[in-house]
Amino acid sequence: QQPVQSPQAVILREGEDAVINCSSSKALYSVHWYRQKHGEAPVFLMILLKGGEQKGHDKISASFNEKKQQSSLYLTASQLSYSGTYFCGTVRGKLIFGQGTELSVKP
Amino acid sequence: ETGVTQSPTHLIKTRGQQVTLRCSSQSGHNTVSWYQQALGQGPQFIFQYYREEENGRGNFPPRFSGLQFPNYSSELNVNALELDDSALYLCASSSFQSYRPYGYTFGSGTRLTVV
Repeated sequence: QQPVQSPQAVILREGEDAVINCSSSKALYSVHWYRQKHGEAPVFLMILLKGGEQKGHDKISASFNEKKQQSSLYLTASQLSYSGTYFCGTVRGKLIFGQGTELSVKP
Repeated sequence: ETGVTQSPTHLIKTRGQQVTLRCSSQSGHNTVSWYQQALGQGPQFIFQYYREEENGRGNFPPRFSGLQFPNYSSELNVNALELDDSALYLCASSSFQSYRPYGYTFGSGTRLTVV
């Protein structure tokens, strides 16, 4: 079952914040987050393993609520380099990706 | 530490032909997964290999098959190519040790065009 991401697209000005949500209809054991720039391979950002766990990567952080089967990715003080498509991935023996959220950061 | 290498980078095939795509996994990784990514879509899981055995498969027909070799490199074979098989094919390697998952490292992909 593919996780569902929202929103599908976000346009930001440099320095603004954004939140990307990921939800699943099935129990989650872990959630992955990846970023893919146009024409490139997806790049691993972080993995969350426990309920309520939060992690950070530079000014990008994420939370994971296993009871609600949801994860959120927080992008703080966005930079031009944050532009790309963000995918969450849920793992039940195999990594299944959501449909992606396209993030565009403008100067 | 080497990353994931895929070959070829681009390929054009005719409908009905067969194709083999190759992937060298990152050093120390024992699991390889293959994904199909159509334009504007998320990567769709094809199958996964762990220690040379398929241990997970997505919703793809049997004409999609694969292999993993003792050095953990892998091949994806597609028979009887259809126009809808045109996509970016991504290989990702990871390491499952002591049941603790790690992030996946992706190769740059093979762009397959079926005409």
